[in-house]
Amino acid sequence: EDQVTQSPEALRLQEGESSSLNCSYTVSGLRGLFWYRQDPGKGPEFLFTLYSAGEEKEKERLKATLTKKESFLHITAPKPEDSATYLCAVSRRTGGFKTIFGAGTRLFVKA
Amino acid sequence: EAGVTQFPSHSVIEKGQTVTLRCDPISGHDNLYWYRRVMGKEIKFLLHFVKESKQDESGMPNNRFLAERTGGTYSTLKVQPAELEDSGVYFCASSQANVGLQETQYFGPGTRLLVL
Repeated sequence: EDQVTQSPEALRLQEGESSSLNCSYTVSGLRGLFWYRQDPGKGPEFLFTLYSAGEEKEKERLKATLTKKESFLHITAPKPEDSATYLCAVSRRTGGFKTIFGAGTRLFVKA
Repeated sequence: EAGVTQFPSHSVIEKGQTVTLRCDPISGHDNLYWYRRVMGKEIKFLLHFVKESKQDESGMPNNRFLAERTGGTYSTLKVQPAELEDSGVYFCASSQANVGLQETQYFGPGTRLLVL
């Protein structure tokens, strides 16, 4: 069964303290792995799509990487405005474009 | 460019009543998705439209849920009759036409449904 597990559930950082969020996945034939950011009361906001192991993408203080079993979202020198829930999701190569989400990691960055 | 919009933003109804949620996708997006997040759980896929056709409705919980997409534009999700366990946040997302790789899905702000 397709599954996405994110860790930790919550992460508290000081401003400037770099860290990584983990997304472990099990899927029969990965089509794509997605990272989203979600702020309270809003819908998920797209960050990255990764398609194959070894791929990396960057956006400002965020960098996403992908292996055959997991993805990491690295946050370099975070700021308070990076506080949000970060969601990981995958879709399968077969069976349409159904997307399976993880439960998310809640990130708190203190000034 | 306007994003995905959803209406209403909140709905409070009693068990047994009917509620209809609406989603307006980004103009020109053929793909429209419905998702649901119940309290404490992850976001779960409900169904996927390509234009006006249901491509995948494997996530629909039961026959109390009916989704339509008239003319391939906006979509509605009707819950009739609503049960307590239907409470949650219903998200809509849209993406452009599929060209092999999965196109980015853009999400709406969600409709928060509370069934009492």
